[in-house]
Amino acid sequence: DGGITQSPKYLFRKEGQNVTLSCEQNLNHDAMYWYRQDPGQGLRLIYYSQIVNDFQKGDIAEGYSVSREKKESFPLTVTSAQKNPTAFYLCASSILRGMELFFGEGSRLTVL
Amino acid sequence: GESVGLHLPTLSVQEGDNSIINCAYSNSASDYFIWYKQESGKGPQFIIDIRSNMDKRQGQRVTVLLNKTVKHLSLQIAATQPGDSAVYFCAETTNYGQNFVFGPGTRLSVLP
Repeated sequence: DGGITQSPKYLFRKEGQNVTLSCEQNLNHDAMYWYRQDPGQGLRLIYYSQIVNDFQKGDIAEGYSVSREKKESFPLTVTSAQKNPTAFYLCASSILRGMELFFGEGSRLTVL
Repeated sequence: GESVGLHLPTLSVQEGDNSIINCAYSNSASDYFIWYKQESGKGPQFIIDIRSNMDKRQGQRVTVLLNKTVKHLSLQIAATQPGDSAVYFCAETTNYGQNFVFGPGTRLSVLP
């Protein structure tokens, strides 16, 4: 089945550690995105990529980093510089930027 | 983006009744809108979309209405079922390939 796979689904991290969230899609979409979701708030854009080897900061990029070495993959690293990393992280893709978003099932990160 | 704090607006309806979920969007230049459904702990799922050259679009048991004059979008669900219980949120973008902006969402609770 075509879709977006995020892993791990749950992740616990100690303060000061970097963690990387995986996102893989087999939809042949050019654009990929990372969103952060906090209780009672809309999705906020962290980073997006319109094409391989290119990515742009979203609204809340501080403390995060990404790479886009392959069309299918868009991993997100939550660094120790992110002051409040506990959240639900969603990866999405679309054929092109501004078109319908397809979401993964999310990764819940908890900092202990 | 705007924040409504930790508590989402909640709509409670009796099973079998119709539900109407509202969304006020922010950008008068937005011309493409999507409604998403998000069940607890899962990624958002596409429900229905509409472009600004329409004011109504129907799907299976769902209808989206767009009022550009007052920048208002609504989702109507007919004969609401327990499986409809979820958070619903709208997303808007312009036709110039911009990123989506998401509303904070409304929690729909279906009462037996």
